[in-house]
Amino acid sequence: GDSVIQMQGQVTLSENDFLFINCTYSTTGYPTLFWYVQYSGEGPQLLLQVTTANNKGSSRGFEATYDKGTTSFHLQKTSVQEIDSAVYYCAMRLNSNNRIFFGDGTQLVVKP
Amino acid sequence: EAAVTQSPRNKVTVTGGNVTLSCRQTNSHNYMYWYRQDTGHGLRLIHYSYGAGNLQIGDVPDGYKATRTTQEDFFLLLELASPSQTSLYFCASSDTWGQDTQYFGPGTRLLVL
Repeated sequence: GDSVIQMQGQVTLSENDFLFINCTYSTTGYPTLFWYVQYSGEGPQLLLQVTTANNKGSSRGFEATYDKGTTSFHLQKTSVQEIDSAVYYCAMRLNSNNRIFFGDGTQLVVKP
Repeated sequence: EAAVTQSPRNKVTVTGGNVTLSCRQTNSHNYMYWYRQDTGHGLRLIHYSYGAGNLQIGDVPDGYKATRTTQEDFFLLLELASPSQTSLYFCASSDTWGQDTQYFGPGTRLLVL
């Protein structure tokens, strides 16, 4: 069935570490893929999105590449900062009916 | 920027209690959504609406009703609250169905004792 998988419940890093958050998806066709970020006490907000397979999206130093071959959309950042501490949600939108599916979220904790 | 507000921000009720969560958006968006967020489950869609008087069922609708009274206002109703409905509830809005960014409110934390 249609789903988004984030295996990492929590990632703990130190400032200036490299960030890699896993995301894989399952569906037919070519969905649009998103990363949302949720800071403490707030609702989720869009971080980046990619509509076309094999394209890369970027925002605020974060990047994600839509890999149709591996059905993945991993989130990366070269050097994280304490202010990046948040929950990150991977999501996909189906082209067939525009339904949006969210992953379970990954809590990023960045220590100073 | 789209503005979505929710009230109350925190609510405590007892099992069997009647709860109404309110959401208002001021960006003239057509679509509004109610999600619940639970550890290990991410965001799950309860109900959504594409306009005043319209209601669509989401993925986890059992135990919830909703009503869209105006384009701005969308309410989530728990008529017989149960402890399993203890959760963080988010309202969101978007201009079109899935075609553009969803803007989320700050959330309502509900505790059912």
